[in-house]
Amino acid sequence: QKEVEQNSGPLSVPEGAIASLNCTYSDRGSQSFFWYRQYSGKSPELIMFIYSNGDKEDGRFTAQLNKASQYVSLLIRDSQPSDSATYLCAVTQAGTALIFGKGTTLSVSS
Amino acid sequence: SQTIHQWPATLVQPVGSPLSLECTVEGTSNPNLYWYRQAAGRGLQLLFYSVGIGQISSEVPQNLSASRPQDRQFILSSKKLLLSDSGFYLCAWSGSRLDSPLHFGNGTRLTVT
Repeated sequence: QKEVEQNSGPLSVPEGAIASLNCTYSDRGSQSFFWYRQYSGKSPELIMFIYSNGDKEDGRFTAQLNKASQYVSLLIRDSQPSDSATYLCAVTQAGTALIFGKGTTLSVSS
Repeated sequence: SQTIHQWPATLVQPVGSPLSLECTVEGTSNPNLYWYRQAAGRGLQLLFYSVGIGQISSEVPQNLSASRPQDRQFILSSKKLLLSDSGFYLCAWSGSRLDSPLHFGNGTRLTVT
């Protein structure tokens, strides 16, 4: 059974700090990696995706991928209370659709 | 731009009753379509996906079924609901590659009583 693991949290950070969210995956064949944000009671929305080793930046968000160690992370700079949500990591597997982790709950205090 | 419509938003059904949830996509052709379920306190579970009309792949054998009668329409059904079918049902679409990003509808919160 291929898995995607995330620390459920909650991860608590003060406003303006950097939040670091981590995800590990078991399928070495995975090629594409996604981060979604889900507010309570709402559907997930795509934040960003990464295909290659290294960093990818989009505004306050940076995704980091290390295929050798099988982990992907999301950094949120200058965290805001509006960033408080559950963050879902998703990974592709050969021949099927995205597999999601259970998510990490982030709480940003003002 | 592409939009995805999913209805109803909430649904309360008794055990043993049938279910039909519908999802339609606008603004794109030949999308991949997906049904996920999120039970309380649990992650997103892939139920079905479809790469074309009449083509359905089932990931979790259970009392649910899916159909794709038209290119941009995806339906989730059950003949007899179980208590364990309660959850947040999410329809999503993507481009034609299975490693494309998913875009979710607003979801249907189903409570089986």
